[in-house]
Amino acid sequence: NAGVTQTPKFQVLKTGQSMTLQCAQDMNHEYMSWYRQDPGMGLRLIHYSVGAGITDQGEVPNGYNVSRSTTEDFPLRLLSAAPSQTSVYFCASSAPTGQLFFGSGTQLSVL
Amino acid sequence: QQPVQSPQAVILREGEDAVINCSSSKALYSVHWYRQKHGEAPVFLMILLKGGEQKGHEKISASFNEKKQQSSLYLTASQLSYSGTYFCGTETGPNFGNEKLTFGTGTRLTIIP
Repeated sequence: NAGVTQTPKFQVLKTGQSMTLQCAQDMNHEYMSWYRQDPGMGLRLIHYSVGAGITDQGEVPNGYNVSRSTTEDFPLRLLSAAPSQTSVYFCASSAPTGQLFFGSGTQLSVL
Repeated sequence: QQPVQSPQAVILREGEDAVINCSSSKALYSVHWYRQKHGEAPVFLMILLKGGEQKGHEKISASFNEKKQQSSLYLTASQLSYSGTYFCGTETGPNFGNEKLTFGTGTRLTIIP
């Protein structure tokens, strides 16, 4: 049972480059979300989706895009990376009970 | 606005008890607790709903005082495996399965032998 799978685990970008963080879940959860984690700031919600074709902004959406074409996949796109986007990114899906299942995280550095 | 957690960090000897607090300035419907070990993803502990319900999980339990918008996590007879950073996440509405949790900044718990 894979749960939530995130790739890559590590990534280094130069300022201005774009990339996509991949997230897939095999639990048939409707709700998926992306968080970023910075030292001393906890987890902050970037974008979320309540089902295929439906996405919305969280607390810190600027500089990120998402789409949800299938129930399983919820990729996060950085359009033009900035040093302020250096962070650890977690994808999560939610069971109907409210329990979040997190992926293993992506450590992103933007130089 | 993020809920406030206290203390920010605590060091305990194995077998001692700890209390971690989470308070919000907003009216809350639910409080969620997660534990994260260094370099790993957060792992779910429990959810507490409006109504002051106290829940338990092994030797870890929690309470939720909706009138004060506060929740406390109790760790009894701590074990080395309890080390990690504990986060509370708050939700202002009954959005089961669609929570947009606002997480606190975390409490780092270190258990020493």
